[in-house]
Amino acid sequence: DSGVTQTPKHLITATGQRVTLRCSPRSGDLSVYWYQQSLDQGLQFLIQYYNGEERAKGNILERFSAQQFPDLHSELNLSSLELGDSALYFCASTQSPGGNEQFFGPGTRLTVL
Amino acid sequence: QKEVEQDPGPLSVPEGAIVSLNCTYSNSAFQYFMWYRQYSRKGPELLMYTYSSGNKEDGRFTAQVDKSSKYISLFIRDSQPSDSATYLCAMKERAGNQFYFGTGTSLTVIP
Repeated sequence: DSGVTQTPKHLITATGQRVTLRCSPRSGDLSVYWYQQSLDQGLQFLIQYYNGEERAKGNILERFSAQQFPDLHSELNLSSLELGDSALYFCASTQSPGGNEQFFGPGTRLTVL
Repeated sequence: QKEVEQDPGPLSVPEGAIVSLNCTYSNSAFQYFMWYRQYSRKGPELLMYTYSSGNKEDGRFTAQVDKSSKYISLFIRDSQPSDSATYLCAMKERAGNQFYFGTGTSLTVIP
């Protein structure tokens, strides 16, 4: 158990809908990363937050947004969902924004029908 | 060209074999190198973390970095069926925040 928690574990929804994925970092970690992992693809970096502020942005679609709250948990919002958004979404945390030891949560499996 | 290249395999070896997993990269600014193990689509688990060139050993696992060749390796000695998983390499610049991942190599250790 990495100490990073993610909810829900599974999410099934329809095209055009909006969903919110939630992540709580390890105790003491201040930075949160979001990744997308599709079948047969590696981890695609989406976005990073540190202490409530966006620090780095990867290949995140405009339909996706995220935020980190004062208690350090983070939410990833996915809207106008398409079939191709079906994937595993992982959250990871590090102690600092440039920290090198990154710990991953169990992921949320999103299925868009 | 991707920043990090990793042979996806699959790799299948008998129990007890020595396994060699490799990644190449193009960005000479990468200074930190990690290996993660991921079981059947669960969250990746950090196995090894090294800085710059050299070797690092942890039990049956040895991580090796050759910055001159932009090549990193993970060796698993006395492989066990429980080592069957996908192994992901990852890299990071010293001053950067973003981690760059390989696509992963699928390993099966046959009893």
